[in-house]
Amino acid sequence: NAGVMQNPRHLVRRRGQEARLRCSPMKGHSHVYWYRQLPEEGLKFMVYLQKENIIDESGMPKERFSAEFPKEGPSILRIQQVVRGDSAAYFCASSETLGTANTEAFFGQGTRLTVV
Amino acid sequence: DQQVKQNSPSLSVQEGRISILNCDYTNSMFDYFLWYKKYPAEGPTFLISISSIKDKNEDGRFTVFLNKSAKHLSLHIVPSQPGDSAVYFCAALTSGTYKYIFGTGTRLKVLA
Repeated sequence: NAGVMQNPRHLVRRRGQEARLRCSPMKGHSHVYWYRQLPEEGLKFMVYLQKENIIDESGMPKERFSAEFPKEGPSILRIQQVVRGDSAAYFCASSETLGTANTEAFFGQGTRLTVV
Repeated sequence: DQQVKQNSPSLSVQEGRISILNCDYTNSMFDYFLWYKKYPAEGPTFLISISSIKDKNEDGRFTVFLNKSAKHLSLHIVPSQPGDSAVYFCAALTSGTYKYIFGTGTRLKVLA
């Protein structure tokens, strides 16, 4: 059973370009979460999605960032017109049921975005 | 505001000794706590958890202690091994929610 798969592992973008980060949850998992880790900081919640639905995007910047989890295919975190401050590690996690107590979320290896 | 705090950014311990990693929280609504371990260039891996109805949970070499009155938890690793060298994140959760609130991490280095 493959774990949570994220690609690419590393992504370099110039300021103003678009970044697309992909996440394939573990088999059988329909709940996906995106977290961002800025340098020297902990992971911060961005968005929670179920298939075809955004449940909570309260941690995501209102502009330039969007996320989707289509019926078929991976979840996508999209950052338009990237700026240097977007440089971070972006982690995706998935869970079989709602990720509350006793249902830990499994994390992917992350995508390291560098904006130059 | 940092609701989950790990005030020690780094810790060095000799192999075979005990490693104690600390975590403090401010939100009394948190009732489930987790520790994740993270190697460089990898994602966090779940290590151990504890519910607020308990004050101790043990799994092999890893034990987590929870002091609700002090809003403090700690992770004990005994005996420490070089393979334990990693960054350890404390995370907190309120039942019925899904947002893990992470601390900033403690980098543990176990010296052979």
